[in-house]
Amino acid sequence: QTVVTQEPSFSVSPGGTVTLTCALRSGSVSTSHYPSWFQQTPGQSPRTLIYNTNTRSSGVPDRFSGSILGNKAALTITGAQADDESDYYCVLYMGSGIELFGGGTKLTVL
Amino acid sequence: EAQLLESGGGLVQPGGSLRLSCAASGFTFSSYAMSWVRQAPGKGLEWVSGISSGGGTADFAGSVKGRFTISRDNSKNTLYLQMNSLRAEDTAVYYCAKSPESYHYYGMDVWGQGTTVTVSS
Repeated sequence: QTVVTQEPSFSVSPGGTVTLTCALRSGSVSTSHYPSWFQQTPGQSPRTLIYNTNTRSSGVPDRFSGSILGNKAALTITGAQADDESDYYCVLYMGSGIELFGGGTKLTVL
Repeated sequence: EAQLLESGGGLVQPGGSLRLSCAASGFTFSSYAMSWVRQAPGKGLEWVSGISSGGGTADFAGSVKGRFTISRDNSKNTLYLQMNSLRAEDTAVYYCAKSPESYHYYGMDVWGQGTTVTVSS
């Protein structure tokens, strides 16, 4: 049972804009879930892009932004580049000390 | 620059124990919560455990509760994960991650390079 859901895959054209989402199977995502977003390429450690909904991690370009869109957390990438092709994960705080990752989105830039 | 360096991974038999360590540098370790996150081969990320900056609050995923213990030594800038009663499904790369705040709820902003744990007979 996947409680935190992400699009399994997404594609974007170079230079384009894409919005990845992070949803709950039941209920709405809010800032109280402190959503964070991570980028991971094969064989590498995850890299934090966004934490606490919309705070960009150190060194992350402003092409990456986080928000709440409707009832989901969202990661928007503008001006997509070839090296944005990666897996993207979100994590949500579920209360009672528990954090849950989404299943990840495989982003293709083509 | 904040850095995290995990160690202690290896091959262990089912039912065995292992202790992972994570050495922190480049930031005030005692001010931030820390977490362990794992990734099974070919799978996604799974939050395992988190501990508050002072060590007074520790939380665990249901899959490891009662088997794993998290602790920290702020005088040594080191985070630990004691893993007991290991199962094949605990096989994964284990990452140490720093929180941007004193509690781990706010996610992670710095990651280590990971250490591999293999549970097999």
